[in-house]
Amino acid sequence: EPEVTQTPSHQVTQMGQEVILRCVPISNHLYFYWYRQILGQKVEFLVSFYNNEISEKSEIFDDQFSVERPDGSNFTLKIRSTKLEDSAMYFCASSDQGARQPQHFGDGTRLSIL
Amino acid sequence: QKEVEQNSGPLSVPEGAIASLNCTYSDRGSQSFFWYRQYSGKSPELIMFIYSNGDKEDGRFTAQLNKASQYVSLLIRDSQPSDSATYLCAVSSTGNQFYFGTGTSLTVIP
Repeated sequence: EPEVTQTPSHQVTQMGQEVILRCVPISNHLYFYWYRQILGQKVEFLVSFYNNEISEKSEIFDDQFSVERPDGSNFTLKIRSTKLEDSAMYFCASSDQGARQPQHFGDGTRLSIL
Repeated sequence: QKEVEQNSGPLSVPEGAIASLNCTYSDRGSQSFFWYRQYSGKSPELIMFIYSNGDKEDGRFTAQLNKASQYVSLLIRDSQPSDSATYLCAVSSTGNQFYFGTGTSLTVIP
């Protein structure tokens, strides 16, 4: 069964540094998403991406964050000037017809800011 | 503010019993409703989705939707210890995003 793959599985970074989290969505999917889950808390929407542009973003997704689809397969989340409170699991998801259809999640990247 | 509310639990049921998980949502414009299962430290895994009022059955799982009451539920029949997990309710409306509840922790006791 096709999968969403995310790399790395665990990223440890010093506060203030930049990180790039990588995702390969399911190949025929057109809608891509990033979510964040702080330990013990709910899954929070960050951003959705369609047709090479952001379609929606939450209040969390401020100027510190950016997304990119650099080629036909990868979808990245960049976090600049990381803060301690950015420590969380970051999930990438994709769907073939937007949010009316189920989203398929990757295994996540655990980001630890020291 | 679009909210999805779930009883955080924990909910404990004996093996073989029916587990009933509930979810309410605030946005009347919500169109699609999803149940995900999340094991500790893992990613959400799709269980079921439902769009129309009524019941939808898939194996041991039944999703129920009542848009007038803004209520969606998940029934798990013949609960197994492997069903022990956190169950997440997710809702989408007219936009291109999901809103997740905080999840209900289910423990199935052998």
